[in-house]
Amino acid sequence: AQSVTQPDIHITVSEGASLELRCNYSYGATPYLFWYVQSPGQGLQLLLKYFSGDTLVQGIKGFEAEFKRSQSSFNLRKPSVHWSDAAEYFCVCSNDYKLSFGAGTTVTVRA
Amino acid sequence: DSGVTQTPKHLITATGQRVTLRCSPRSGDLSVYWYQQSLDQGLQFLIQYYNGEERAKGNILERFSAQQFPDLHSELNLSSLELGDSALYFCASSVTLAGGPYNEQFFGPGTRLTVL
Repeated sequence: AQSVTQPDIHITVSEGASLELRCNYSYGATPYLFWYVQSPGQGLQLLLKYFSGDTLVQGIKGFEAEFKRSQSSFNLRKPSVHWSDAAEYFCVCSNDYKLSFGAGTTVTVRA
Repeated sequence: DSGVTQTPKHLITATGQRVTLRCSPRSGDLSVYWYQQSLDQGLQFLIQYYNGEERAKGNILERFSAQQFPDLHSELNLSSLELGDSALYFCASSVTLAGGPYNEQFFGPGTRLTVL
């Protein structure tokens, strides 16, 4: 069975600083991986996805993620954080029909 | 705006009651998924419908049921409600049945259920 681990429950970062959110997956086959963001009081929005090819994936809002098969990781990064990036971020692994969500990482941005 | 609508936005009810949550998928999407988000369980997949038929079940309780109608909207029915059913319930939709990277799920804003 597939599973996703996000080791960091909460991260605080200064505005303008870089951000990296960690994600490790466990899946027997080639994983389909996603990062979703949930802003306060909102639904989930897809930031980016990986399924094959280049291991560095670009997403919306200036985010990128790097797939490392050897480390079973799919970490999300942003070079310079804006206050509007304060949200909860979910790493997700997909099989044919089901999304398995990590527990989420809450990002707080301080001025 | 994802194009997925959910009503109501908030629902407050008492234990033992029954409620119905409604979801309208994006135009053209045939698959509807229901998820439950709670503090202790996180985000969990409940059930999927495709073009009116149930296609996959996740961690859905027997007290819960869902259906998808000919116009493709879906309803999630929660009965004999317990305090622990208090959660945010999300609906998502996608174009096709198959999963994987070509079948992005678009999420609605959710219905917050509070059971008192």
